[in-house]
Amino acid sequence: AQSVTQLGSHVSVSEGALVLLRCNYSSSVPPYLFWYVQYPNQGLQLLLKYTSAATLVKGINGFEAEFKKSETSFHLTKPSAHMSDAAEYFCAVSLSGGGADGLTFGKGTHLIIQP
Amino acid sequence: GAGVSQSPRYKVAKRGQDVALRCDPISGHVSLFWYQQALGQGPEFLTYFQNEAQLDKSGLPSDRFFAERPEGSVSTLKIQRTQQEDSAVYLCASSLETGEMSNQPQHFGDGTRLSIL
Repeated sequence: AQSVTQLGSHVSVSEGALVLLRCNYSSSVPPYLFWYVQYPNQGLQLLLKYTSAATLVKGINGFEAEFKKSETSFHLTKPSAHMSDAAEYFCAVSLSGGGADGLTFGKGTHLIIQP
Repeated sequence: GAGVSQSPRYKVAKRGQDVALRCDPISGHVSLFWYQQALGQGPEFLTYFQNEAQLDKSGLPSDRFFAERPEGSVSTLKIQRTQQEDSAVYLCASSLETGEMSNQPQHFGDGTRLSIL
């Protein structure tokens, strides 16, 4: 069984500040991990994914995440927040790279950017 | 279009009515997934197709939920005798999944927002 825990349902940062969204996972096998972003009334857009090739994964829009097996974590970061980053962010885990089984999502973190 | 298309975008139905939600995946995508997203929650897996075969339906909450993909492209999620707790956004995703490219990510549609009165 797999599960994902996202700490903090809401995170507020100032424009230009560091963004840190936390994700911890539980998986009985080496996991594939994903971060998705969801804007209001839209579907989910893939930011980045971890597939064991490298522990530091770079994604779109300046986001990156680091896989830490010892901490069972996959936190999402961005050095400098932009107003357009305000959205809901979901961490997800699967047994495959995403094409052969369903994703298990966390409950999401709402990112608020203050001007 | 190039993305996953879902229709209708919004659906309002009275309790007890049947509804059908449609998903057009990205052309050529083998895998298709349905998720249910309740308000303020993350999406929850409902069912998975590989071409026309429904390989996993473990997430369907009751026998009132039924999904099909008869020709391996368009899929329909049907909910019979709807209840208020069925109110949610239903998301469809597709993936180009083959033997050597099984790490292809899922691409999501914008969802259908279902409201049961």
